[in-house]
Amino acid sequence: NAGVTQTPKFQVLKTGQSMTLQCAQDMNHEYMSWYRQDPGMGLRLIHYSVGAGITDQGEVPNGYNVSRSTTEDFPLRLLSAAPSQTSVYFCASSPHQGRPNNEQFFGPGTRLTVL
Amino acid sequence: AQSVTQLGSHVSVSEGALVLLRCNYSSSVPPYLFWYVQYPNQGLQLLLKYTSAATLVKGINGFEAEFKKSETSFHLTKPSAHMSDAAEYFCAATFNNKLVFGAGTILRVKS
Repeated sequence: NAGVTQTPKFQVLKTGQSMTLQCAQDMNHEYMSWYRQDPGMGLRLIHYSVGAGITDQGEVPNGYNVSRSTTEDFPLRLLSAAPSQTSVYFCASSPHQGRPNNEQFFGPGTRLTVL
Repeated sequence: AQSVTQLGSHVSVSEGALVLLRCNYSSSVPPYLFWYVQYPNQGLQLLLKYTSAATLVKGINGFEAEFKKSETSFHLTKPSAHMSDAAEYFCAATFNNKLVFGAGTILRVKS
């Protein structure tokens, strides 16, 4: 199993540009989520999904969109990039929704810089 | 508000010394609790988790954590630090089925 994969690893955008961060998992996990990591702030939840066709907002959803058309994929879209979105983005997955003691498995991250 | 607090953004220990990383949660109901480790330029890896089965939880790489309900704490310890333990450590808790992270503690190990 490849686990959770993310592409690209690095990205530089100009203010106002849009892009999609890709996330895929091959573990048949129901639950998937996106976090951003900023120095001194830990990881903050952007959006999450408890299954195909179901998404919901996390703590910091503004400026981001998600969709979940398949169990495997959970892309994160930046609609109009802003310097405040410069961050490291992590995708994670977990076996079952509704079981809060499940471990989340993290991807390697995407480092995004918005100029 | 439900939250996770890690005391000390940086901790420095000598090789072979005790490692103690502090974590407190704020919640009226004890949540499920986790410790994750992040090595430089990598994703997060689970060290251990508390799921109410036992208050002392053993994890990978010689780490363990003790849940204390009266102190709303879940501190991480390791008896003897190794150079390879240098990393950032995150305490996290599940509130309303969402994982909430502390701000992280960077552990430095001196030779």
